[in-house]
Amino acid sequence: EAQVTQNPRYLITVTGKKLTVTCSQNMNHEYMSWYRQDPGLGLRQIYYSMNVEVTDKGDVPEGYKVSRKEKRNFPLILESPSPNQTSLYFCASSLTGIWDEQFFGPGTRLTVL
Amino acid sequence: QKEVEQDPGPLSVPEGAIVSLNCTYSNSAFQYFMWYRQYSRKGPELLMYTYSSGNKEDGRFTAQVDKSSKYISLFIRDSQPSDSATYLCAMSWVNSGGSNYKLTFGKGTLLTVNP
Repeated sequence: EAQVTQNPRYLITVTGKKLTVTCSQNMNHEYMSWYRQDPGLGLRQIYYSMNVEVTDKGDVPEGYKVSRKEKRNFPLILESPSPNQTSLYFCASSLTGIWDEQFFGPGTRLTVL
Repeated sequence: QKEVEQDPGPLSVPEGAIVSLNCTYSNSAFQYFMWYRQYSRKGPELLMYTYSSGNKEDGRFTAQVDKSSKYISLFIRDSQPSDSATYLCAMSWVNSGGSNYKLTFGKGTLLTVNP
């Protein structure tokens, strides 16, 4: 089944404790991106990747890192999480870019205490 | 002024009603326009996609783009309880170098269709 998977689905952590949210797609898509969704603010793009080893900032990249060492994986790294990073995070992928249909993962609910 | 404005609602309609959802935008460079539907506790899924002005129809759904007014709409005919979800508009553009990979979403409109 073609899909985007994220892990973990739910995470509660404390300020400053490094964490990684994994994202994997099995559709051989070139483009992958991370979004956060907050009430009243909607979906905002954090980082995106056009292909292996090619990444760039979205609209809200502060406090996040990403890497794209393999085509199928695009982990989101929070080196020192803070409470303002409490949010619902979505990973998405598409065939070549933003003009293609974005396939979203199921979301990761992160709470930073 | 935010690049994409969307009335968050909530919008509540009776089953069978015609629903109109709208977004306005300020960036005249936007050329790809999409509507995503997001059910509660799920990721968004693409509903409609267009890159030109005018109407595009798919079953009970019609997407309308008016580039001169910087306005896009999604119409749902004969709305069903299963249409109850959050609807997000999204748009993007390609710069002169042929690359731009940001996608900008509206805040989403929560729609409830009552049986």
